[in-house]
Amino acid sequence: ELKVEQNPLFLSMQEGKNYTIYCNYSTTSDRLYWYRQDPGKSLESLFVLLSNGAVKQEGRLMASLDTKARLSTLHITAAVHDLSATYFCAAELNAGNMLTFGGGTRLMVKP
Amino acid sequence: ETGVTQSPTHLIKTRGQQVTLRCSSQSGHNTVSWYQQALGQGPQFIFQYYREEENGRGNFPPRFSGLQFPNYSSELNVNALELDDSALYLCASSSGLAVGTQYFGPGTRLLVL
Repeated sequence: ELKVEQNPLFLSMQEGKNYTIYCNYSTTSDRLYWYRQDPGKSLESLFVLLSNGAVKQEGRLMASLDTKARLSTLHITAAVHDLSATYFCAAELNAGNMLTFGGGTRLMVKP
Repeated sequence: ETGVTQSPTHLIKTRGQQVTLRCSSQSGHNTVSWYQQALGQGPQFIFQYYREEENGRGNFPPRFSGLQFPNYSSELNVNALELDDSALYLCASSSGLAVGTQYFGPGTRLLVL
């Protein structure tokens, strides 16, 4: 059974600071996804990581994947208030788009 | 090109009742997956439909059932509602089984009293 764990569960940070969210998964996964969810809203796709060593960047967010360590990271650079949201990672067991999600990291960026 | 839509947006039911939630997939997408997201938790995979056939199922009891129609829209049916079924129900569509990103709809928030 594929299990996905994120940490931290809650992160409060000041604007301008850097931080990393960690996502561990228990068995070999075909793909790793990162999503953003604003309160009361649906999930917005951020990144899809397809192979070991994959790195993707969009604005102040950068995601990476280490399949040997079964670890993905989401790095936040110079945080701004607009990044406040809950971030989920999800792993896919057997290519087929059936995702197992982590519990989420609630990020609060303070001015 | 329209995105994924779901109806209704909110719903209140009582224990023991039955509910049907609907999802219209994004244009050109033939795969629909349903997820349940309890408050403060990550989404949990319920099941997936590919070209009108159930393609996979998560750890949910048989009272959770679904359909996919020829136009690839989908329904989620839940019988004998329980209090713990209160959650946000999300559907997601993709253009196949191994194509990467799924696109999520806005969700239906179900409250069971």
